[in-house]
Amino acid sequence: EDQVTQSPEALRLQEGESSSLNCSYTVSGLRGLFWYRQDPGKGPEFLFTLYSAGEEKEKERLKATLTKKESFLHITAPKPEDSATYLCAANAGNNRKLIWGLGTSLAVNP
Amino acid sequence: KAGVTQTPRYLIKTRGQQVTLSCSPISGHRSVSWYQQTPGQGLQFLFEYFSETQRNKGNFPGRFSGRQFSNSRSEMNVSTLELGDSALYLCASSLGQERGQPQHFGDGTRLSIL
Repeated sequence: EDQVTQSPEALRLQEGESSSLNCSYTVSGLRGLFWYRQDPGKGPEFLFTLYSAGEEKEKERLKATLTKKESFLHITAPKPEDSATYLCAANAGNNRKLIWGLGTSLAVNP
Repeated sequence: KAGVTQTPRYLIKTRGQQVTLSCSPISGHRSVSWYQQTPGQGLQFLFEYFSETQRNKGNFPGRFSGRQFSNSRSEMNVSTLELGDSALYLCASSLGQERGQPQHFGDGTRLSIL
């Protein structure tokens, strides 16, 4: 069964303390791995798409990487405004459905 | 470029009533997907419409239905509301999901059932 698992569920960092969020996936025929950021009371905001193992994408303090089994979202020198829930989703197989993880709630303290 | 617009933002209903939620996708996007989001279950896929046709469906009862119009705007209907239907309902649009095109979300409709 297609599945996406994110860890940790919650993470608290001090401002400037770099860390990584994990997204493990077991899907058949990956057609794209997506990262989103969601703020309270808002819809998810698209961050990155990764298509194949070895691919990397960067945006400001965020860098997403992909292997054949997992994806990492690296946060370098985070700021309080990076506090949010980070979601990953895998687009699998021919049915085009997105399989979503439950997210990692990130809090960055000043 | 305008984003995905969902109306209304908040809705309070009682058990047994029905509700219709509306979604206007990003201009040029032909695919619209609907999700239910609750704290414990995360994002649960309801259905996807592409060019007025339902292309995918999640595991929700028949009380949940939707449709898409020729201008790609979409509506979702829930009949005979239950307490467990309280959730944030999100709409997302994309060009068409070929080779994993990203979905772009609205800010949702918060539905509360009393």
